[in-house]
Amino acid sequence: QQQVKQSPQSLIVQKGGISIINCAYENTAFDYFPWYQQFPGKGPALLIAIRPDVSEKKEGRFTISFNKSAKQFSLHIMDSQPGDSATYFCPSNTGKLIFGQGTTLQVKP
Amino acid sequence: DVKVTQSSRYLVKRTGEKVFLECVQDMDHENMFWYRQDPGLGLRLIYFSYDVKMKEKGDIPEGYSVSREKKERFSLILESASTNQTSMYLCASSRLAGGSSYEQYFGPGTRLTVT
Repeated sequence: QQQVKQSPQSLIVQKGGISIINCAYENTAFDYFPWYQQFPGKGPALLIAIRPDVSEKKEGRFTISFNKSAKQFSLHIMDSQPGDSATYFCPSNTGKLIFGQGTTLQVKP
Repeated sequence: DVKVTQSSRYLVKRTGEKVFLECVQDMDHENMFWYRQDPGLGLRLIYFSYDVKMKEKGDIPEGYSVSREKKERFSLILESASTNQTSMYLCASSRLAGGSSYEQYFGPGTRLTVT
């Protein structure tokens, strides 16, 4: 049933570097492509979302890039900080969200 | 400030016990969800509800049931707890439809241990 494939499963980045997480989707009927962020011991929280008619959306250091022809969207975290260390999810969105394993990001100081 | 609260942060139960996990949201949301989260398996949907007294099975409903008697409250029930139900349980809520239905608000989670 998984309609979105996320990679990598884990990522280690040095402080100040760029973190990139990719998602490939199958269903073109999504109305929004959301990203969720989960810190250890907390529930996930919506980080940023993009509509399929927009190629890029930026909020602070976080940017979603959307490639409709390739059926891919990516999360870029610029100037990554240790406080960004968390698990990131790109759930499929077909009325209900289907989350996968996510990507565990560790930003080393 | 929007809020989803769960009745317990930590719970320890014995095998065979009936377990109730309670979730309350104060945002007047139509949708409510129950997930479990396990290392290596991610977040999996157990049950969800679009309205009072309505429920829909998610991906892993076996061994669980739910109750939604009031709009703000969604309960997850383990009829006879088993050790393989040891997990982190997360409740979430969202608006029914429209542009913001992808935005789910999660509670802090209940870490359930079944011994």
